[in-house]
Amino acid sequence: ETGVTQTPRHLVMGMTNKKSLKCEQHLGHNAMYWYKQSAKKPLELMFVYSLEERVENNSVPSRFSPECPNSSHLFLHLHTLQPEDSALYLCASSQSRTGGEQFFGPGTRLTVL
Amino acid sequence: AQTVTQSQPEMSVQEAETVTLSCTYDTSENNYYLFWYKQPPSRQMILVIRQEAYKQQNATENRFSVNFQKAAKSFSLKISDSQLGDTAMYFCALCPLKDQFYFGTGTSLTVIP
Repeated sequence: ETGVTQTPRHLVMGMTNKKSLKCEQHLGHNAMYWYKQSAKKPLELMFVYSLEERVENNSVPSRFSPECPNSSHLFLHLHTLQPEDSALYLCASSQSRTGGEQFFGPGTRLTVL
Repeated sequence: AQTVTQSQPEMSVQEAETVTLSCTYDTSENNYYLFWYKQPPSRQMILVIRQEAYKQQNATENRFSVNFQKAAKSFSLKISDSQLGDTAMYFCALCPLKDQFYFGTGTSLTVIP
């Protein structure tokens, strides 16, 4: 595998479920990101990890819980989500978190029933 | 505050013709990067072109070029000899140094055979 991969590609869950999104980057980068993409809205930055430490948390509800066990892997744990959380969740990575190009994964299409 | 505005939600162009996508931005920073990303229907977002604000010369990448007007805070993307594979959402992004990415709402481009 090359680049940034995400699993699953599609996820349907009920509001009481617990699920996790996984992201893996094969680029040797030091920074990883979670974005939420909703129709007709700019990408919303959710979390930033640099060298496995969370450095940004943009007022994201606690029902989203990120985890970065190492510089290559990033998880987004989901619990008791709301229907308005339905969106495309994109993972990205970059060499550093200052000014460099970000490489994106294909995204996970999440539907909350 | 940083903002990115893409005023054209949808555009279309005939195959082999030229199209220009507009982007304006606002920032108080003097050092920053600007990007155009492409997101085809398969959803993997890829970098099209990148411009450093301190460079006066407009970036060019094969059929893609930008018109960067720093004083006007304008960053348009020109696609020459449009191809069917250029059909995608195009996102303009601003990244001040040591800051996060700020994305526009995107322009959906359709290349008509």
